[in-house]
Amino acid sequence: SQKIEQNSEALNIQEGKTATLTCNYTNYSPAYLQWYRQDPGRGPVFLLLIRENEKEKRKERLKVTFDTTLKQSLFHITASQPADSATYLCALEGGGSYIPTFGRGTSLIVHP
Amino acid sequence: DAGVIQSPRHEVTEMGQEVTLRCKPISGHNSLFWYRQTMMRGLELLIYFNNNVPIDDSGMPEDRFSAKMPNASFSTLKIQPSEPRDSAVYFCASSFEGGHQPQHFGDGTRLSIL
Repeated sequence: SQKIEQNSEALNIQEGKTATLTCNYTNYSPAYLQWYRQDPGRGPVFLLLIRENEKEKRKERLKVTFDTTLKQSLFHITASQPADSATYLCALEGGGSYIPTFGRGTSLIVHP
Repeated sequence: DAGVIQSPRHEVTEMGQEVTLRCKPISGHNSLFWYRQTMMRGLELLIYFNNNVPIDDSGMPEDRFSAKMPNASFSTLKIQPSEPRDSAVYFCASSFEGGHQPQHFGDGTRLSIL
């Protein structure tokens, strides 16, 4: 069955460092992959979308990579700040469906 | 520019009662999604509407759940009768034409069934 895996353990890093979050998938051929941020008590907020033929995408301090061979996406936040602390979810879309399937998210905690 | 608006933000009710959750999507968006989020199962799609028509309701848990979209600016998710295992946060999201577009989420309804 299709599976999306994000690390369930929180990632703790120091302010100023680069945070790297992982999204792995199996039995899936996604054409698109999205990353969202979710703060406590709020709905997810869209951050970036990357297509299967794109290796990398950047937006300000954010960078996303998409490796269809490894079946993995990496989400990087450079020069992290305490305000970046949140849960980050990946969502995959493909296989003829227009509806993305979400991972369960990884919590990021940036310590001052 | 108003985002997706959900009401109520919190609902606490007793088992067996009817619960109605409401959603106003972003104006101009023609796709609407209802999700349920729990610690155990994460964010699960319940139902997807396109141009007010239900396209995929395979995620609706059982007949106790129903959803309607009478017009482009309003949707409801109803649970009748409610059970304690329905306790979760329910999100509504909207987007342009379903595919390859970012989804815009409301802030959810936290539902507790006692």
